[in-house]
Amino acid sequence: SQQGEEDPQALSIQEGENATMNCSYKTSINNLQWYRQNSGRGLVHLILIRSNEREKHSGRLRVTLDTSKKSSSLLITASRAADTASYFCATAKLNQAGTALIFGKGTTLSVSS
Amino acid sequence: NAGVTQTPKFQVLKTGQSMTLQCAQDMNHEYMSWYRQDPGMGLRLIHYSVGAGITDQGEVPNGYNVSRSTTEDFPLRLLSAAPSQTSVYFCASRNRGGSSYEQYFGPGTRLTVT
Repeated sequence: SQQGEEDPQALSIQEGENATMNCSYKTSINNLQWYRQNSGRGLVHLILIRSNEREKHSGRLRVTLDTSKKSSSLLITASRAADTASYFCATAKLNQAGTALIFGKGTTLSVSS
Repeated sequence: NAGVTQTPKFQVLKTGQSMTLQCAQDMNHEYMSWYRQDPGMGLRLIHYSVGAGITDQGEVPNGYNVSRSTTEDFPLRLLSAAPSQTSVYFCASRNRGGSSYEQYFGPGTRLTVT
């Protein structure tokens, strides 16, 4: 079964608005990562947060992690049309750090101008 | 660096046929993985390898074989194709050492089984 589950499944916003997507997972993890996939392309790594971190920033991205609730959120601030893509969270299990990632089903973000 | 390359980009098979999806990386990464992506299902792990000669099963290994004879290559074999294996297949790799667990993905192979 899949480890991560993103919420919502789909999100439509206007340019300039913020986009928030959430991820819940089931087992203890070493780290959690977020990836982006443009239509028909491979996945691209966005940001990683370790199990001992609570928040991390990278440009317009902000990721939080709550290990007690087994959940994470990805915030994209001041969204642009180019942010239109699917976003996936992925977890590396505690005893398999980095060996293989388990992905959620993704959130499809549509940003209109 | 070419990164992670996959061939072919597209493939149509008839039920029962076999084929090999190729994956190669030129970054000297020890870890390599195969995923399949189906609509509404996200990516599911098929097989992975932590180094040459070492492979292990993921979430959905049935119907697929892998081997890892070199660091660079990680082919995925479909033994007897079934319509349920129609999917987009992604290969990924990452380095073993360091603090980054970032995976690098290939562009994918779109497979249709009729």
